[in-house]
Amino acid sequence: DQQVKQNSPSLSVQEGRISILNCDYTNSMFDYFLWYKKYPAEGPTFLISISSIKDKNEDGRFTVFLNKSAKHLSLHIVPSQPGDSAVYFCAASAQYYGGSQGNLIFGKGTKLSVKP
Amino acid sequence: ETGVTQTPRHLVMGMTNKKSLKCEQHLGHNAMYWYKQSAKKPLELMFVYSLEERVENNSVPSRFSPECPNSSHLFLHLHTLQPEDSALYLCASSPRGSPEAPPGELFFGEGSRLTVL
Repeated sequence: DQQVKQNSPSLSVQEGRISILNCDYTNSMFDYFLWYKKYPAEGPTFLISISSIKDKNEDGRFTVFLNKSAKHLSLHIVPSQPGDSAVYFCAASAQYYGGSQGNLIFGKGTKLSVKP
Repeated sequence: ETGVTQTPRHLVMGMTNKKSLKCEQHLGHNAMYWYKQSAKKPLELMFVYSLEERVENNSVPSRFSPECPNSSHLFLHLHTLQPEDSALYLCASSPRGSPEAPPGELFFGEGSRLTVL
């Protein structure tokens, strides 16, 4: 059973508008969450992360929101640009506060298309 | 030099062949990983090496055999694979356990696309 779910396989957004990518998780032990971005023929690259002690983390045009009670996180991209077109993976990790790095559990990804 | 380099980028092999995938990282990291990405599935962790010791083997069939001769190199030896093993195999590295590094920030290679006939 999937512990990290990205229920939207694809999303299409107009340039300049907001892109919202969603992710749900089932394991309450997860305490660190990450978003990765993947272009075709390249490996995933780290984009932004958030620990479970926060509910928001912002980095430029990218903001991640965490709702622990709903076991839900989302990535907001504002404004969206054509270069943001890629597959976005949500990932979760446990044991951060235990002093060791848990291994990442990934979602299936959401393909974002930003149209000019 | 890119941070994590994987060779070959593409590999086609028969079910009776023996081949190896190679990964090299130039980032000074102390942990390396093999992930598998099959079509329509999430990335699946296969193996984790930390300081050259295998710390995780995620119920991977024995036809996949990892090797980590030093902290910069990681291999995945393949033998008697099945067509369902066709996938993108991604190598990653991280400064595992370092207080300076965000946990889980993996640095991925571009992957090796494997096709088993």
